[in-house]
Amino acid sequence: DVKVTQSSRYLVKRTGEKVFLECVQDMDHENMFWYRQDPGLGLRLIYFSYDVKMKEKGDIPEGYSVSREKKERFSLILESASTNQTSMYLCASSLVGSDSLYGYTFGSGTRLTVV
Amino acid sequence: KQEVTQIPAALSVPEGENLVLNCSFTDSAIYNLQWFRQDPGKGLTSLLLIQSSQREQTSGRLNASLDKSSGRSTLYIAASQPGDSATYLCALPGAGNQFYFGTGTSLTVIP
Repeated sequence: DVKVTQSSRYLVKRTGEKVFLECVQDMDHENMFWYRQDPGLGLRLIYFSYDVKMKEKGDIPEGYSVSREKKERFSLILESASTNQTSMYLCASSLVGSDSLYGYTFGSGTRLTVV
Repeated sequence: KQEVTQIPAALSVPEGENLVLNCSFTDSAIYNLQWFRQDPGKGLTSLLLIQSSQREQTSGRLNASLDKSSGRSTLYIAASQPGDSATYLCALPGAGNQFYFGTGTSLTVIP
């Protein structure tokens, strides 16, 4: 069964800490995405990557960076965590091309709380 | 930019009832449309994906339709069950291979 795996289901971090959220997919997908989901705001795209070492800003990249050193792994980095980054973070992957037959596959999410 | 709207935001029905969830989008030049289910505190599970050349897709008690010309998709759930209670989201691809999501419909099926 194909999978997108996020390394942590729940994380609690302190303000100012550097935080790494990891995502791994085993489907050989070119595209990988990081979203955050907040009540009333839906899913908002933070960053996406369409190839190794390539990245594009989404709608809300401020305060975040990403790393994609290998095709299967896409990391989201909070350089200095703040309380307004408390959220559910969702990783997804897809084959290249908007006409993909398979759409998106999501991970199970990481609930991050910054205190 | 694609704008995606889902109405209603919340829906409560008695068990056994058939129901329809709606998704509207502004740019009809789409390649596909995907419906997801999200249980509380969890990730998204893909339910159905309709290619632009298709009008319907079915999986068990679920049937999704797509009308590109009117910018609408519906998800029909037959004989609803309490286990169907979840949030349902539709998503469409946009520029740069990213997808645009609706804000979802929260469904509660009452036993």
